[in-house]
Amino acid sequence: AQRVTQPEKLLSVFKGAPVELKCNYSYSGSPELFWYVQYSRQRLQLLLRHISRESIKGFTADLNKGETSFHLKKPFAQEEDSAMYYCALSGYSGNTPLVFGKGTRLSVIA
Amino acid sequence: GAGVSQTPSNKVTEKGKYVELRCDPISGHTALYWYRQSLGQGPEFLIYFQGTGAADDSGLPNDRFFAVRPEGSVSTLKIQRTERGDSAVYLCASSKSSKNEQFFGPGTRLTVL
Repeated sequence: AQRVTQPEKLLSVFKGAPVELKCNYSYSGSPELFWYVQYSRQRLQLLLRHISRESIKGFTADLNKGETSFHLKKPFAQEEDSAMYYCALSGYSGNTPLVFGKGTRLSVIA
Repeated sequence: GAGVSQTPSNKVTEKGKYVELRCDPISGHTALYWYRQSLGQGPEFLIYFQGTGAADDSGLPNDRFFAVRPEGSVSTLKIQRTERGDSAVYLCASSKSSKNEQFFGPGTRLTVL
């Protein structure tokens, strides 16, 4: 069964502190992994995807197939990073929808 | 350019009524997805269109839910005999093809009293 687990509902960190949002997945095959973000009063938007291997807004995420994880990291949190973060996966074969985790609310305290 | 739009932004209805939710995808996007997000949950897949046809409707919870995309652009999600458990935010997303980034609309918040 396809499943995405985000163990933390809420994560609070101080500005300038490192951030790690955890994501574990279950998938039979090779999935594509994503992080989506929803800022206050804005729509859901893609933050990054593992195949791009990019750093967006200082965030990075490495796919660890052995641990089936795709944790999102940033070395120094900013107040504008406060938002709802969703980890998601889809199949590589195409024509598959996204499977989302329940989300983690990140609160960066000044 | 214009993003995905959804109307109405809010819909309040009574139990047992019929509702239609509309999605206007980004022009030229062939793939269109419907998701439902209940309070405290992530979005859950309902149905996916490639062009005019429903490529995957495995997420529709029961036969009260139906969606169409007759001209391969605008899509309408239809819910018959609404129940209080149908209350949620209904999200629409579109992409250039099934493999590309999905762009989400603002959602329609449905409340069934």
